[in-house]
Amino acid sequence: GNSVTQMEGPVTLSEEAFLTINCTYTATGYPSLFWYVQYPGEGLQLLLKATKADDKGSNKGFEATYRKETTSFHLEKGSVQVSDSAVYFCAPGGNFNKFYFGSGTKLNVKP
Amino acid sequence: GAVVSQHPSWVICKSGTSVKIECRSLDFQATTMFWYRQFPKQSLMLMATSNEGSKATYEQGVEKDKFLINHASLTLSTLTVTSAHPEDSSFYICSASGASGIPSYEQYFGPGTRLTVT
Repeated sequence: GNSVTQMEGPVTLSEEAFLTINCTYTATGYPSLFWYVQYPGEGLQLLLKATKADDKGSNKGFEATYRKETTSFHLEKGSVQVSDSAVYFCAPGGNFNKFYFGSGTKLNVKP
Repeated sequence: GAVVSQHPSWVICKSGTSVKIECRSLDFQATTMFWYRQFPKQSLMLMATSNEGSKATYEQGVEKDKFLINHASLTLSTLTVTSAHPEDSSFYICSASGASGIPSYEQYFGPGTRLTVT
């Protein structure tokens, strides 16, 4: 089945710093790739997605590019805010639309 | 749109008792619902997939007799933890997909239910 490896957290940054959260995956075929975000005390929300190789997903200043050759989907943001503090999950879409999330990466942004 | 609710948001039960958690899609019909368990260091594990009107499909290592899943309608799925033990204490999250006009791979997540077994 599909699986994902994310960088271990927590990641602590100062406001306006550049963010990269690494994600590599193993999958059968070429699945759609997703980033979900879980804010404190809330459920997961779709942050962005990419459905085919070289596609760039973007939302709320976050970006990630589907890299087939390196099986990666790294999340980036040029200038983080305190409100971005959350847990971020990368996941390849699987058969029957199942998600096999990784451990998630907790981001702490300090003012 | 595409809101998913869970009830209760938290529950405490005694060891050996059973507890039921509800997952509802409030403004769409969900052909498929998923149940996840989130462990203390935030990792999220898929437990099972349920389709309305059919038996749930459980992931390897998940005891189907302990975690009973029923998807009785297009807006409701329930997870019953039977004979709960302290090691079942966790955060349980459901998600739903299949909203009309929305790609089938998009899942909408509930806010989660915190279960504590004493």
